[in-house]
Amino acid sequence: QSALPQPASVSGSPGQSITISCTGTRSDVGSSNSVSWYQQHPGKAPKVIIYDVNKRPSGVSNRFSGSKSGNTASLTISGLQADDEADYYCSSYTDSDSWVFGGGTKLTVL
Amino acid sequence: QVQLVESGGGVVQPGGSLRLSCAASEFTFNSTAMYWVRQAPGKGLEWVAFIKYDGSSRYYADSVKGRFTISRDNSKNTLYLQMNSLRGEDTAVYHCAKDGWGSWYFDVWGRGTLVTVSS
Repeated sequence: QSALPQPASVSGSPGQSITISCTGTRSDVGSSNSVSWYQQHPGKAPKVIIYDVNKRPSGVSNRFSGSKSGNTASLTISGLQADDEADYYCSSYTDSDSWVFGGGTKLTVL
Repeated sequence: QVQLVESGGGVVQPGGSLRLSCAASEFTFNSTAMYWVRQAPGKGLEWVAFIKYDGSSRYYADSVKGRFTISRDNSKNTLYLQMNSLRGEDTAVYHCAKDGWGSWYFDVWGRGTLVTVSS
């Protein structure tokens, strides 16, 4: 299965909010509550920041929020901080017992 | 705290085989589904394989189906990935990850082990 489309890059200034979209289909994002988001800093392992569309793991800042509308999932980061600069990936469980990731979005904090 | 440590990576020729291991600690391994996810150099994440807590269900990405086998030894708290008929496009860092309490997401990740397929 092909990677879910995400914007290649987004940017924002400290304190601003940004939103990253993840476009799926009825076979994955549209039919699944198992949509998750991951943050990956250079050279590090990915870290889950959102699961089940809009739930935050313990310890993850409430500046990170997730949502879904139809076949598109979104990640919003409010109050941007320098440490938020990283790559972000969405993921969805699919109706064929597989998982698919988004292509990834590079966030630059100006 | 939960820890996952991969090993077994290295350089292998096209057509060769390699077995990766993932040692798990500080969680109930025998009650937890597990995954392998890979990341080619400079590229994005790609799900590779899934195994249910008891090994009764296993799923694979189309790109590795028939060549890779995921397995586990719950007595040793260890996850495996047997990789056969390796190709250049299998070159990647391979991460193991634990499932998030049946919610089908990648809860905790290991740092990964690099597999390079090259002649």
